[in-house]
Amino acid sequence: AQTVTQSQPEMSVQEAETVTLSCTYDTSESDYYLFWYKQPPSRQMILVIRQEAYKQQNATENRFSVNFQKAAKSFSLKISDSQLGDAAMYFCAYGNKLVFGAGTILRVKS
Amino acid sequence: NAGVTQTPKFRVLKTGQSMTLLCAQDMNHEYMYWYRQDPGMGLRLIHYSVGEGTTAKGEVPDGYNVSRLKKQNFLLGLESAAPSQTSVYFCASSQITEQYFGPGTRLTVT
Repeated sequence: AQTVTQSQPEMSVQEAETVTLSCTYDTSESDYYLFWYKQPPSRQMILVIRQEAYKQQNATENRFSVNFQKAAKSFSLKISDSQLGDAAMYFCAYGNKLVFGAGTILRVKS
Repeated sequence: NAGVTQTPKFRVLKTGQSMTLLCAQDMNHEYMYWYRQDPGMGLRLIHYSVGEGTTAKGEVPDGYNVSRLKKQNFLLGLESAAPSQTSVYFCASSQITEQYFGPGTRLTVT
């Protein structure tokens, strides 16, 4: 069975700075998708970025980018120029029937 | 275009009572999912459906039943609620990969 591990329960970043959230996963599959979801206090799940395993190029969405290391089974999220609105719980997730990590709370300091 | 909606948003049940959560999507998606989210954990898959009239078990299916009589609706039933089913329930739908989530239902079983 696939597993997803987020080793950072909580992270803090200063506004306008850069922060990286870690995620590792375990799978025997060769082709799959990986996702980062954001969950603000409103509870709504919002897709931040996704990565297709067969693509070597790291995905980028505006201030959000990933570092996808397939051999190491690592999928970290980098948030550049952090904003107060980035404060939320962030979940790493694997596959079509999503397997989620436990989440990382991101706090943004002004 | 409402996306994914869930009814109700909040509910309190007594142990042994039954209830049905309704999920509706207007995006003509084939796939629909029910997840639960407990404190300190990511979402876990309860049941899912790959099309009208089909259902399948996810990671934590015990104590729940589902039905997908219409393509746009996916119902989650609790026949005899238990305190361990206190959680936030999310419905999601997808066509290929990206899942779109509803706003969640907070269920408390006393």
